[in-house]
Amino acid sequence: GAVVSQHPSRVICKSGTSVKIECRSLDFQATTMFWYRQFPKQSLMLMATSNEGSKATYEQGVEKDKFLINHASLTLSTLTVTSAHPEDSSFYICSASAAPGGGYGYTFGSGTRLTVV
Amino acid sequence: DQQVKQNSPSLSVQEGRISILNCDYTNSMFDYFLWYKKYPAEGPTFLISISSIKDKNEDGRFTVFLNKSAKHLSLHIVPSQPGDSAVYFCAASTGNQFYFGTGTSLTVIP
Repeated sequence: GAVVSQHPSRVICKSGTSVKIECRSLDFQATTMFWYRQFPKQSLMLMATSNEGSKATYEQGVEKDKFLINHASLTLSTLTVTSAHPEDSSFYICSASAAPGGGYGYTFGSGTRLTVV
Repeated sequence: DQQVKQNSPSLSVQEGRISILNCDYTNSMFDYFLWYKKYPAEGPTFLISISSIKDKNEDGRFTVFLNKSAKHLSLHIVPSQPGDSAVYFCAASTGNQFYFGTGTSLTVIP
């Protein structure tokens, strides 16, 4: 079945530094990838949608200069948290779809727990 | 290898009837299970969860059942309403990582 690999699973960084999170579709081509932020027992908050070869579409309230998204190939999207602050500490999850716009067929990564100290 | 599986990509139910969405998992170390609901063009919305120490959790029309011996999770919606039409994802957590199923698209027919 479709597999999405997310790396790293956990990262601790100092305030002011940048962190890159990778999301790879291992056995399918993902024309669309999604980045979410998860707070405990809350909904996954969609941060942005990235389409291969074009600029990401950010949700309202998400700073595009702070959360840089690159979807350079059909199997890789990256999220870079720039100048991280403690309030950026959260759980970040990506998902990918080979069928953009489809209601199902999303495959999720296992998430990255970011802690900014 | 998928640790959380939703084997039914779609389900259609008549309004007023019960909707049962199923989810299977392989990792006995999962300690928390969640269900999300997703409308098109939106992120998944948290619906209901259950700890591995329980076998049932109810919230209004939504009930989640956990069968640890079978490694099976189900979401019951009673009565089903047209507004429940969405994609439903189950997820399991070990505390540090989440594993999601690929979703079941529920259509409630008026």
